[in-house]
Amino acid sequence: AQTVTQSQPEMSVQEAETVTLSCTYDTSENNYYLFWYKQPPSRQMILVIRQEAYKQQNATENRFSVNFQKAAKSFSLKISDSQLGDTAMYFCAFMNQAGTALIFGKGTTLSVSS
Amino acid sequence: NAGVTQTPKFRILKIGQSMTLQCTQDMNHNYMYWYRQDPGMGLKLIYYSVGAGITDKGEVPNGYNVSRSTTEDFPLRLELAAPSQTSVYFCASSWLDGKGNQPQHFGDGTRLSIL
Repeated sequence: AQTVTQSQPEMSVQEAETVTLSCTYDTSENNYYLFWYKQPPSRQMILVIRQEAYKQQNATENRFSVNFQKAAKSFSLKISDSQLGDTAMYFCAFMNQAGTALIFGKGTTLSVSS
Repeated sequence: NAGVTQTPKFRILKIGQSMTLQCTQDMNHNYMYWYRQDPGMGLKLIYYSVGAGITDKGEVPNGYNVSRSTTEDFPLRLELAAPSQTSVYFCASSWLDGKGNQPQHFGDGTRLSIL
């Protein structure tokens, strides 16, 4: 069975700084998808970034980028130039290729202060 | 473009009551999902559907039922509400074809309390 582990329950950073959120996962599959979702206090689930396992190039979306290490089964999220609006819970998630299983980590609460 | 719409947003039930959480999507997605999120935790998959007429169990299906009579709608039914079902429920949809799976689009959630 697949598992997703986020080892940092809480993180704090100041505006304009860079922060990295960690995520490791376990799977026996070769092709799969990895996601980072943001959940602000409004409870909405907002997709931040997506990575296909068959792509070696790390995904980037504006200030958000990932460090995907397939052999190590690691998928960290880097947020550059942190903004107050980045304050939220961040979930790392694994999806199998068939799209029938989306496994979430327990989340990391990120607080950005001025 | 409404995306994924869930109703109601909030509900309080008494133990033993039943109710249906509604979910509809207007993106013509073939895959739909129901998750629950307990306090301080990530989401856990309850049921999913890969198309109209097809449903399957996820990680935590006990106490729930689903149906998928149309592409758009994927209601979740609680037959005998129990306090352990107090949670926030999310519906999601996505498109999967031979080129791969697209990201899931989530509804805004339904906060359900069983007293």
